[in-house]
Amino acid sequence: EAAVTQSPRNKVAVTGGKVTLSCNQTNNHNNMYWYRQDTGHGLRLIHYSYGAGSTEKGDIPDGYKASRPSQENFSLILELATPSQTSVYFCASGGRDTQYFGPGTRLLVL
Amino acid sequence: GEQVEQLPSSLIVQEGASVLINCSYTDSASVYFPWYKQEPGKRLQFIIDIRSNMERKQNQRLTLLFDKKTKHLSLHITATQPGDSAIYFCSASMNNYAQGLTFGLGTRVSVFP
Repeated sequence: EAAVTQSPRNKVAVTGGKVTLSCNQTNNHNNMYWYRQDTGHGLRLIHYSYGAGSTEKGDIPDGYKASRPSQENFSLILELATPSQTSVYFCASGGRDTQYFGPGTRLLVL
Repeated sequence: GEQVEQLPSSLIVQEGASVLINCSYTDSASVYFPWYKQEPGKRLQFIIDIRSNMERKQNQRLTLLFDKKTKHLSLHITATQPGDSAIYFCSASMNNYAQGLTFGLGTRVSVFP
């Protein structure tokens, strides 16, 4: 199975602060994704990438930026964190179709 | 955009019984439907998928049925075990798979010995 890792696994941030969530995959997949998971909403797509240097907006991109500096790494950036961004964030990578998920990052914005 | 609905939201069964999870989607452009299992505090784990040119797919105790006409899928799990306890997610993807998945809200399955 694809190896997708995320850091940090848990993060507490203050409102208005900058938060960077990192994701690394070692399977040479072209596509990477960031989702957030919230009770009552399931998983929702924030940003995705087709490869190094590319970032695309998903279904709920407002308040988030993404960066794909290399094939292996994909970051999610919250420039000005808000309490509404408290959630569990999952990164995934995929080739042709099936996506493989990381373990998640639990973010609490106070 | 695409919307995916799952029913029921939760169910409880005794070990050995069968489970049926229903999923429906709205956009006829969706062509690929992977299902994932999530145990408490864990990552989503891919369990089975089906494409829109198929009607049925089986993987051991899992059977996935697809009806393109009604935009409906159903996941059948037989001979359940306590290890099957998890949240099961249906998802859908359009022709450009790379654009990501749209997920249902999940079905929480609890299997008691």
